[in-house]
Amino acid sequence: AQSVTQLGSHVSVSEGALVLLRCNYSSSVPPYLFWYVQYPNQGLQLLLKYTSAATLVKGINGFEAEFKKSETSFHLTKPSAHMSDAAEYFCAVSPTNFGNEKLTFGTGTRLTIIP
Amino acid sequence: DGGITQSPKYLFRKEGQNVTLSCEQNLNHDAMYWYRQDPGQGLRLIYYSQIVNDFQKGDIAEGYSVSREKKESFPLTVTSAQKNPTAFYLCASSIGVSSTEAFFGQGTRLTVV
Repeated sequence: AQSVTQLGSHVSVSEGALVLLRCNYSSSVPPYLFWYVQYPNQGLQLLLKYTSAATLVKGINGFEAEFKKSETSFHLTKPSAHMSDAAEYFCAVSPTNFGNEKLTFGTGTRLTIIP
Repeated sequence: DGGITQSPKYLFRKEGQNVTLSCEQNLNHDAMYWYRQDPGQGLRLIYYSQIVNDFQKGDIAEGYSVSREKKESFPLTVTSAQKNPTAFYLCASSIGVSSTEAFFGQGTRLTVV
């Protein structure tokens, strides 16, 4: 079994400030981990993924995430927030011995950027 | 451009009616998925298909049905047996089920009136 916990359903940061969205997971087998972004009334777009290679993963739009096995975390960061980053972000986990049918999503974090 | 097309974007249904949501992809992907999204919740898997003429129930399949007669199409029918059908429905596809990247459509917002 696996699960994802996203701490903070809403996060607000000032434009130019650090963005930190938290994600903790549980998985009985080594996981694949993902961050997706969703703009209003749109589908999900993959930001980045961890697939057991480098623990620091760089994604699109300046985002990155670090896989920390000891902390079971995969937090998403961006050094400087931009107004266009306002969206909802989903962390997801799937076990490496299964496919996307076992992809489990967190409940999402809505990011607001303050001008 | 390759991608996933969901139609319609907004759909209204009267209680007791069945309704079918369309999902078409031109990515030549084998695997396709339907998810349901409710406010404050993550995505939940309704059905998935690994290959043409085959599909499997996901976590919340009750009240839904699907077909996969063509590789590029995976329609979802929301039946009258679905007790709370108002939601945002997302279709996705991947090269195969074991692929580590799924591509999503723009979604269909279904409202029961």
